[in-house]
Amino acid sequence: DGGITQSPKYLFRKEGQNVTLSCEQNLNHDAMYWYRQDPGQGLRLIYYSQIVNDFQKGDIAEGYSVSREKKESFPLTVTSAQKNPTAFYLCASTPGGVRNTEAFFGQGTRLTVV
Amino acid sequence: DQQVKQNSPSLSVQEGRISILNCDYTNSMFDYFLWYKKYPAEGPTFLISISSIKDKNEDGRFTVFLNKSAKHLSLHIVPSQPGDSAVYFCAASGGSGNTPLVFGKGTRLSVIA
Repeated sequence: DGGITQSPKYLFRKEGQNVTLSCEQNLNHDAMYWYRQDPGQGLRLIYYSQIVNDFQKGDIAEGYSVSREKKESFPLTVTSAQKNPTAFYLCASTPGGVRNTEAFFGQGTRLTVV
Repeated sequence: DQQVKQNSPSLSVQEGRISILNCDYTNSMFDYFLWYKKYPAEGPTFLISISSIKDKNEDGRFTVFLNKSAKHLSLHIVPSQPGDSAVYFCAASGGSGNTPLVFGKGTRLSVIA
């Protein structure tokens, strides 16, 4: 069954710690994305990648880092520089580029700072 | 600067009636529009889309209308069912270069039995 798998579903982070959210897809999609959802804020783009070993900053990239070493994997690291990391994080992918196409989403990771 | 706007944070509709969700956009370069449905603690699921060369697209109970001159689109759900209760996001793409989907802030639809 093809899809996008995000793990873990829930993640707790202490102040000052870096954490990495996993995103894996077996849809053979070229492009992958990370969005953040906050209450009343909709989905805001953090980073995206159109091909392996290449990625671009989105609207709210500060305090985050990504890598794209394999086509199927696009992990997101939330660093200690991110001042308000508590949010629901969504990974998505699109086939063959980014224009005019439906994005498929994972089930999300809820990150909470404790 | 919000390029995709959903000005109604919430909407309540009785079961069996029509639900109309609205979305406005400011970027005239957008040429593809989508609606997603989202339940709490889950990822959004694609509902329906429309290209800028059309003004209407229909899929079962869901119809999306696009008014390019007004930079406005709407999602109609007829008849509304309790299972339709969710947050609906409007999204757009096109813009300059290869830009990812831009989402609105969402409208929470409650269908009352």
